[in-house]
Amino acid sequence: SAVISQKPSRDICQRGTSLTIQCQVDSQVTMMFWYRQQPGQSLTLIATANQGSEATYESGFVIDKFPISRPNLTFSTLTVSNMSPEDSSIYLCSVVADTDTQYFGPGTRLTVL
Amino acid sequence: GDSVTQMEGPVTLSEEAFLTINCTYTATGYPSLFWYVQYPGEGLQLLLKATKADDKGSNKGFEATYRKETTSFHLEKGSVQVSDSAVYFCALGGGNEKLTFGTGTRLTIIP
Repeated sequence: SAVISQKPSRDICQRGTSLTIQCQVDSQVTMMFWYRQQPGQSLTLIATANQGSEATYESGFVIDKFPISRPNLTFSTLTVSNMSPEDSSIYLCSVVADTDTQYFGPGTRLTVL
Repeated sequence: GDSVTQMEGPVTLSEEAFLTINCTYTATGYPSLFWYVQYPGEGLQLLLKATKADDKGSNKGFEATYRKETTSFHLEKGSVQVSDSAVYFCALGGGNEKLTFGTGTRLTIIP
C-alpha cells in the first residue's frame, strides 16, 4: 500500500483567488492522479501526473484552470485558479501501488465563497 | 467507453441485517474491480478488490465476486454494524489507468 498526505485538509477561499494543494507519498511512484468530488457526487478524474512530463488532462479540465506540478517521484501539487463557487469540492490525489491498486489521500475540502 | 452502474441510494438497514449493493460494469478488456468506502468527512479507503473473473475479494466481513458472465461485482455483508455507515463506491480500472467510478451508494445502519 501507500501512505498519502494532503495539505491543506480544508480551506475557505474567496472567489477569484487561487489555492495550491500538496500531495506527498511515502514511497516513489510513477503515476499520480488528481480527482474532484463535487458535493454529493462521485469522483471525476482531473488529470494524470507523471514525473518529468506534462500532466495529461481529462475532457473538461484545462491546464490554465488546474495547473499541476510533479517535481519528483513522491510529490505533486494541484492549483485551482481563479476560483468560483462552482469549484467547491473535495480534491483527492491518488497513486498506484501493489501493481494495480490506487490508494487515495485524505482529500482537501475546498469551499469558495 | 468504460462505465459502472451502481445501485441507487440511500440505503437504510437495521443493525445485523444482510447487505447487498449492486454494481454492474461495461468495459473493454479485463479490468480489475474495486470497492472503496468513504466514511463521513474522510477520503476513500480501499475495501476490497478482484483482478480477474471468478476472483472473490473480501475484507472486514464484506465480499464481492468478479462475475464476467453477468458483468457484475455486487458487494455483500452478512451482518452490518452501525460503524459500516458510509458511502460505498464501485470502480473499475487497474494498472496505471484511471479509475472509473459508480455514483456511490450511501449506507446508513440504524441500531
